Amino acid sequence: EPEVTQTPSHQVTQMGQEVILRCVPISNHLYFYWYRQILGQKVEFLVSFYNNEISEKSEIFDDQFSVERPDGSNFTLKIRSTKLEDSAMYFCASSYRGPGYGYTFGSGTRLTVV
Amino acid sequence: KNQVEQSPQSLIILEGKNCTLQCNYTVSPFSNLRWYKQDTGRGPVSLTIMTFSENTKSNGRYTATLDADTKQSSLHITASQLSDSASYICVVTLSGGYQKVTFGTGTKLQVIP
Repeated sequence: EPEVTQTPSHQVTQMGQEVILRCVPISNHLYFYWYRQILGQKVEFLVSFYNNEISEKSEIFDDQFSVERPDGSNFTLKIRSTKLEDSAMYFCASSYRGPGYGYTFGSGTRLTVV
Repeated sequence: KNQVEQSPQSLIILEGKNCTLQCNYTVSPFSNLRWYKQDTGRGPVSLTIMTFSENTKSNGRYTATLDADTKQSSLHITASQLSDSASYICVVTLSGGYQKVTFGTGTKLQVIP
């Protein structure tokens, strides 16, 4: 069964540093998403991406965050200057026709900011 | 405000027993409702999806129900197994536009021997 692949599985970074989280969505999917989940809390939407541009973003997704699809396969989330409160699991997801038709999540990247 | 509330927050049951998890939502306009299973440290995995016209959907030992009038859904797990220990998340999608998705708070289920 096709999978969404995320790397690294765990990243530790110092406060103020830039991090890039990587995702390889399912190959024929057209919609891409980033979510985060702070430990013990619910999954929160960050951003959706379609047709090479951001289609929607939440209030969490401020100027510190950016997304990119640099080639035909990767989808990245960059956090420019990490803060302690950015520590969370970050999930990438992709879907073929949009979230209403279901999407597939990756296994996540655990980001720890120290 | 679009909200999805789940109960109970956590649940411990004996292996082999049945359990029912609840989801109430205020999301409107409604498109569909999904139940996801999330193992610790892993991404959510879809169990069932239900649209407005469906009121029950099964996937093995998992049976989801939906009452669109009262905006309630339940997930019933039959003959629980240790591997059912996970968080179960109710996710509701709005219709129209980019089909915004609202996640519930989840129910953490622990199945003990």
